[in-house]
Amino acid sequence: AQRVTQPEKLLSVFKGAPVELKCNYSYSGSPELFWYVQYSRQRLQLLLRHISRESIKGFTADLNKGETSFHLKKPFAQEEDSAMYYCVLRSEKLVFGKGMKLTVNP
Amino acid sequence: DTGVSQNPRHKITKRGQNVTFRCDPISEHNRLYWYRQTLGQGPEFLTYFQNEAQLEKSRLLSDRFSAERPKGSFSTLEIQRTEQGDSAMYLCASSLSIDSGELFFGEGSRLTVL
Repeated sequence: AQRVTQPEKLLSVFKGAPVELKCNYSYSGSPELFWYVQYSRQRLQLLLRHISRESIKGFTADLNKGETSFHLKKPFAQEEDSAMYYCVLRSEKLVFGKGMKLTVNP
Repeated sequence: DTGVSQNPRHKITKRGQNVTFRCDPISEHNRLYWYRQTLGQGPEFLTYFQNEAQLEKSRLLSDRFSAERPKGSFSTLEIQRTEQGDSAMYLCASSLSIDSGELFFGEGSRLTVL
């Protein structure tokens, strides 16, 4: 079965603090993983994908097949990072986790 | 604006009524998806189309739900005999089939069933 687990629903940090948004997945095939983000009053949009191995807005995520994880990290959070973050697994369609709300306080 | 467009944005209806939502995807996108999102949950897959062909339907899509994409462009999602449990945000997204990892979402249609 395809499943994405985001164990924490809420994370609140101060500006400049490191953040790590956890994601674990269950998938029998070769996984393709993404992080999607929804800022306040904006549409859900792609943040990054594991294949590209790039940093977007200072965020990175490494696929760890041994731990079946795809945690999203940023060393120094900014207020504009406040948003809902969804870890997503791709099979024929995208399977979303329940999401985590990140709040970065000034 | 060439993004994904959904309407109506909000719909309030009484239990037992039928409702229809429309989605206009990005014009060159051949894949179109419907998702449903309830409070505190991530989007849940309902169905998707490649051009006009409906390729997969979730078990969430009961027989009261029907989706069409008659000409491979816009799509409609109809819910018959609405129930209070149908209250949710209905999200439409589109993509190119060669890059179906990046979905472009609409703003959603929020349904409230009284």
